[in-house]
Amino acid sequence: GAGVSQTPSNKVTEKGKYVELRCDPISGHTALYWYRQSLGQGPEFLIYFQGTGAADDSGLPNDRFFAVRPEGSVSTLKIQRTERGDSAVYLCASSLRRENTDTQYFGPGTRLTVL
Amino acid sequence: AQSVTQLGSHVSVSEGALVLLRCNYSSSVPPYLFWYVQYPNQGLQLLLKYTTGATLVKGINGFEAEFKKSETSFHLTKPSAHMSDAAEYFCAVTLSGGSNYKLTFGKGTLLTVNP
Repeated sequence: GAGVSQTPSNKVTEKGKYVELRCDPISGHTALYWYRQSLGQGPEFLIYFQGTGAADDSGLPNDRFFAVRPEGSVSTLKIQRTERGDSAVYLCASSLRRENTDTQYFGPGTRLTVL
Repeated sequence: AQSVTQLGSHVSVSEGALVLLRCNYSSSVPPYLFWYVQYPNQGLQLLLKYTTGATLVKGINGFEAEFKKSETSFHLTKPSAHMSDAAEYFCAVTLSGGSNYKLTFGKGTLLTVNP
């Protein structure tokens, strides 16, 4: 079946602009996660959705970052007033979340470059 | 809080040689441990995970890892490297308690396989 998809695969923007990154999880997965992977680093947790609600947004770096999942499926990560330090690969993952140790399935990521 | 240290940002082996990728963790509670592989332009793929029970865990593509609590380690091994194993490998940990969805990753180890 189809895996997690993310669009766009690459996004180049200018400092100060607004961007939206989209994630389509695996059908039927109730849990959705966003991570950020900076150059030379491992992914870092940003936010976790269970259904439509953000169950844990403790990883969002500041209030310029916001994510939504209005119908419990597709999610959008929104970044306002982008800064050069926001340049990274943004990864989305989803899982069934039927047990404590379920597997998170990752998408290929969106590479964001802020000039 | 938990953390992961991967020793060696780059490991190079010959085809057919043993692969050993090192991972040490710190955790205040019993951890769940994971190894993910990332091929170029693809999402992270789960190789194997340890939650409870048998400390030697077998995964896909001939990889295995052993949880050693006394050494706080979860090293990844494969007896004989194949060219297709060339990729970046990430060790990750979550807590076994309520926040067990929040993966904390190491910085990754790039594995190259020489013919």
